[in-house]
Amino acid sequence: EVHLVESGGGVVQPGGSLRLSCAASGFTFDAYAMHWVRQAPGKGLEWVSLISGDGGKTYYADSVKGRFTISRDNSKNSLYLQMNSLRTEDTALYYCAKAVTTGPWVYYALDVWGQGTTVTVSS
Amino acid sequence: DIVMTQSPDSLAVSLGERATINCKSSQSVLYSSNNKNYLAWYQQKPGQPPKLVIYWASTRESGVPDRFSGSGSGTDFTLTISSLQAEDVAVYYCQQYYTTPFTFGPGTKVDIK
Repeated sequence: EVHLVESGGGVVQPGGSLRLSCAASGFTFDAYAMHWVRQAPGKGLEWVSLISGDGGKTYYADSVKGRFTISRDNSKNSLYLQMNSLRTEDTALYYCAKAVTTGPWVYYALDVWGQGTTVTVSS
Repeated sequence: DIVMTQSPDSLAVSLGERATINCKSSQSVLYSSNNKNYLAWYQQKPGQPPKLVIYWASTRESGVPDRFSGSGSGTDFTLTISSLQAEDVAVYYCQQYYTTPFTFGPGTKVDIK
């Protein structure tokens, strides 16, 4: 069974840093692009970042560009999100999700989502 | 960035009746080379992560009941639940994955009347 488990969330002061992790199982991890999507309390979904299966291509929302870094360790079936210079508006539930199919591109829907990890940025 | 809008914001439908949600993109998400619309629909129930319902605008995800269908092309799309069941109460989001950032619509809340 395909499974994604996020961890690393917590409470941090504005300007601080956090590193989120996502442990994947049940599929050939390095064949799939992976995403981070967040949801502020009571709000809708916001796409955050995307990384190709081999890790060679990364993409970011403008709201996090220059502050967040997505990465993956295919030997550990793990996805990461390094979040620096955190702002109160980064407070959200952060989901990792996998692309619905493999392929040469990254432009695919997201078919499996984790339960999320909560990040709270507050002084 | 491609801006996604949805209508209505919310709707209440009687059990067994049809529910229709509309989604519009600020530019076409139809890729002419493969004639595919890069548009997905997700269902999110309270306290749960989103669940993929439809991708490529009209392809039903495995395990999704056939009362769910997607249609549309270019910039205008529709998610239809042909006979609403109690378990369909949720917020539904459309998303374009034609280009980054992969933007979501604001969501449509579906309830039972």
